[in-house]
Parts: sequence; structure tokens; C-alpha cells
Amino acid sequence: NAGVTQTPKFRILKIGQSMTLQCAQDMNHNYMYWYRQDPGMGLKLIYYSVGAGITDKGEVPNGYNVSRSTTEDFPLRLELAAPSQTSVYFCASSYQQRGRNQPQHFGDGTRLSIL
Amino acid sequence: GENVEQHPSTLSVQEGDSAVIKCTYSDSASNYFPWYKQELGKRPQLIIDIRSNVGEKKDQRIAVTLNKTAKHFSLHITETQPEDSAVYFCAASPSGTYKYIFGTGTRLKVLA
Repeated sequence: NAGVTQTPKFRILKIGQSMTLQCAQDMNHNYMYWYRQDPGMGLKLIYYSVGAGITDKGEVPNGYNVSRSTTEDFPLRLELAAPSQTSVYFCASSYQQRGRNQPQHFGDGTRLSIL
Repeated sequence: GENVEQHPSTLSVQEGDSAVIKCTYSDSASNYFPWYKQELGKRPQLIIDIRSNVGEKKDQRIAVTLNKTAKHFSLHITETQPEDSAVYFCAASPSGTYKYIFGTGTRLKVLA
């Protein structure tokens, strides 16, 4: 199993550009998440999904969009990139059954700089 | 709102000493408490977790304790080694929800 795979690992964008951060998991997890982590800070939830076709906003969704057409993939779209979106983005997945939470598994992250 | 307070924010210990990191949660429905270790430039990785039906769990040099009444849980690392240096995050998750509410992290430095 590869676990959670994120691409790209690094990216530099110009202000106003758009891009999609890719995330794929091969563990058949039903829940997937996108977090951002600013330097020296904790994790802030951007969006999450509890299954294919279902997504919802987290704490900091403005400027982002997501889709979940399959169980495996959960891409994050940045529209009109702004310097405030410079951060490290982590995708995570977990499995929930009958209300029993399981640990989240994280990808290696995407380091994004907006200049 | 729901939150998890984590203390201290930084912790320096001598190699071989013990380290303790404490977290307090607000949502009484929380019943799952994972701890993650994040080395510089790396992903958060689960090191230990505990569920609300257990008061303590150990895995070699690492242990976690839970006090449901006080809504406290703590990470204990014994015989610290330089490779334990990292940022540690606690989290609390209410049963049957998507939520994992993270603490703000503790930067642990183990001095050789």
C-alpha cells in the first residue's frame, strides 16, 4: 500500500494563478481531509469528505474548492491564488465504521508558495 | 466552541530524562485521542492513541493517560533520545463524527 499520495511536493505560483493539488489513497478509507499548516503552527481544516460525492467546509474554506468523485481521490483546487495561501497542505484519510473513529493517515504534504 | 489546549508549547529535556505533554479538551463527546509526531519537514505520524474506555496505554517508551472526568490526557515519553526531538500534536475526536480537533503542538528538544 502506498497510503496517502500527494502531488506535487513543491510548487510556486504567481498571484492570481490557479492550480489543483492532488491526493489519492489506496486504503479504501471513507473519510478524507485537507489541512493547511502555516510555519510553526498547527493544522487547520480546509475541507473534508465522508464519502464519494459528499464534501463539506472546514474552518478555513475560503479560496478553495474540492470534489470527491471516487473513494480514492480528493483533489483541492485553488482559484485566484493569493499570498495568504502560502502554506504546507496536507491531505489525510481515515476509516470510520459504526461510529468508531480510527487514526488519520497523512500524505507527505505539498509546499506551496504564492509570489 | 470545541477546542483542545496543549501545553507546553516548547519543552527542552536532557537526554535520558522524561517528557510530559498535556492536553485538555472541551467536547465531552470526544472518545478517541490520537497523538502525532511531526519531524521537521515531514508529515504528522501517529505514535499512540487511546479510547475513552481505557485510562492508560503504553508502547515501549511512550505512554498516554486519560482522565475523562477532568477532560485531560497526557503523553509521557521516558528515557528520551535525540531522535524524539520533534513537534507533537494531540487531538480529540467525538464518536461518529468527522472531527479531529488538534492541539497547537509542542516542540520537544532533547539535548544530548
